[in-house]
Formats: sequence, C-alpha cells, structure tokens
Amino acid sequence: DADVTQTPRNRITKTGKRIMLECSQTKGHDRMYWYRQDPGLGLQLIYYSFDVKDINKGEISDGYSVSRQAQAKFSLSLESAIPNQTALYFCATSGASSSGENTGELFFGEGSRLTVL
Amino acid sequence: RKEVEQDPGPFNVPEGATVAFNCTYSNSASQSFFWYRQDCRKEPKLLMSVYSSGNEDGRFTAQLNRASQYISLLIRDSKLSDSATYLCVVNLRGSGYALNFGKGTSLLVTP
Repeated sequence: DADVTQTPRNRITKTGKRIMLECSQTKGHDRMYWYRQDPGLGLQLIYYSFDVKDINKGEISDGYSVSRQAQAKFSLSLESAIPNQTALYFCATSGASSSGENTGELFFGEGSRLTVL
Repeated sequence: RKEVEQDPGPFNVPEGATVAFNCTYSNSASQSFFWYRQDCRKEPKLLMSVYSSGNEDGRFTAQLNRASQYISLLIRDSKLSDSATYLCVVNLRGSGYALNFGKGTSLLVTP
C-alpha cells in the first residue's frame, strides 16, 4: 500500500461545484502539504500544515481551503470550482529534524487529476 | 522573480552522453538543496541531496556554489531510463518554511 494516498485519483466536475480532495498518510509525519502542478509552471504550494493545529497559506491559496482532521489526514477543498483550477494536485508529507528543520525529503501521493468544465 | 530558476529544456541527449543541469536560487539565506526526479504523469521523488562539498551517487553528481547561488546536477553515461524531469528544490533556514521547487528541466535520452 502507498504511504501517501490521495482520493479521488481523477475527477471531472463542472464550474461552481464543491470539490474535496482527500489525503491520508501512514508515514507518521507531522508535516503535510498540498501542491498543484500545471504544465510549464511547476509545483506551486497551496497550503501546508506542520501539525494538527497549524495551517499556513502557500503561494496560491485563493479559491482553496484545507482541513487537517488528524495527523494522518489533510484535505483540500475547492468551494466553487472554476476552469483554471484544472490541474494535477499532489499531497505530500515530510519529517523534521530534531531542530525542527525540514529534512528536505517530501513523500508525494500519486496525484489527483482534476478537470473543471 | 521566481526563487528557484531552471532551464526548462528539453535536453535531448544520446545514450551514454554526459549532461549537466544548473539551477539558481535567489535567497542567500537558503540552507539546504535537493534534486528531485519526476517521471511523466507521476509524483516527484527525491533523487539526491546536495551537500556543500559536493556529492556523488553512482552516475549522478551534485554540486553547490553558494557564492554564485547555484546548484548543478551532472549525469554521466546517460541511460534511456534517465529520461524524466529534474526538479531543483531549495529550503530556507528555519522550521517555518516549506520547500521551494523549480519548474524542472526535462531530459530525453535517445537510443
């Protein structure tokens, strides 16, 4: 089984619909992230969470919200989807060193491909 | 200006060739550096960390130049299976930051 699991893997929806992408992990990591990837734009950070009570906006948080339901679960919501949110979305986790620094190794889920018509 | 910049390529090289990618970063407070590999339609995976003294892992060599704020990845004796996108990743010092990804450099190794 994958250490970082995303559902759904593929979703087609219409403009204005509410969409939730879910992520769960078995790595025991405190840090979780949501990225989107568009051709030619690379990975862009949407939101990240360093523990259950911590939520931080990334580069492109507008139009998105997140919920950290537990250490192992971090969901991304699009309250009213629009076509330019069509992208490949990745959830990732990472550990931290004893000093609290990022270890640098992110473990990604397999991605959720979202199409908004 | 994007904090981490890479030449998107594509780099088309024949099998057996040596190829090098560079990546520049804008924040001099950056403390740790990595190369990730991403295959088409797959998730990125850590290829190697980049240490100040440079480091090697088989056919792959990573170098860091702090004065000029760039890191490099050298691939020797390219294999068809090296075809992928290589992402440069930079981490600012401090626990409050997430990693910054470059847009990636595409490599195609041909027979």
